[in-house]
Amino acid sequence: QVQLQQSGPRLVKPSQTLSLTCVISGDSVSSGNAAWNWIRQSPSRGLEWLGRTYYRSKWNNDYAVSVKSRIIINPDTPKNQFSLQLNSVTPEDTAVYYCVRSWHSAYFDFWGQGTLVTVSS
Amino acid sequence: EVVLTQSPGTLSLSPGERATLSCRASQSVSSTSLVWYQHKPGQAPRLLIYGASSRATGIPDRFSGSGSGTDFTLTISRLEPGDSAVYYCQQYDDSPPRFTFGGGTKVEIK
Repeated sequence: QVQLQQSGPRLVKPSQTLSLTCVISGDSVSSGNAAWNWIRQSPSRGLEWLGRTYYRSKWNNDYAVSVKSRIIINPDTPKNQFSLQLNSVTPEDTAVYYCVRSWHSAYFDFWGQGTLVTVSS
Repeated sequence: EVVLTQSPGTLSLSPGERATLSCRASQSVSSTSLVWYQHKPGQAPRLLIYGASSRATGIPDRFSGSGSGTDFTLTISRLEPGDSAVYYCQQYDDSPPRFTFGGGTKVEIK
């Protein structure tokens, strides 16, 4: 059974960087069939896919247009984890953030527990 | 960009009744890319249906998905109290890569 364990600060000041980490058990971040995603949910924006990282002979990343200029998702192979970095945050970035596995780019089958991140001074 | 519109916003039904949830796409989408999730408060969303009609592992056959093109349906037959949740549809585009969610339908059990 795949399990995803998230960690990271729950309070971030405006203009600073939001950073979260997701540790994977039961699968590999280098899996050739999976991708590793970050999704957030807020009352104003609903469920919003932010981006993903995946390995297919080389590492690849895809990002949502809405955050493309300020997001980085990185894999960490030795630690079997991946991370989210969202720069220059504003209160609009306040949301519950989930790390999620997608299978064959088709669906999200395993989710982390979610982290409520609040952007406030 | 495909927009998914779910209706109704809220469905209030009694145990044993059938729930019919709609997901309408702004343009035709591939059935293979249409997915349904169940989301209960304080929990992560749970995969129910993928490929428009295939049940995920461990999902009871009370849950079924159907549809094609722009109109998709999630049906919950014989509602149980534990089915109270918000249900979301989602679809995937691969050029450029993008995942889109509907706004959700809240199912309340009386």
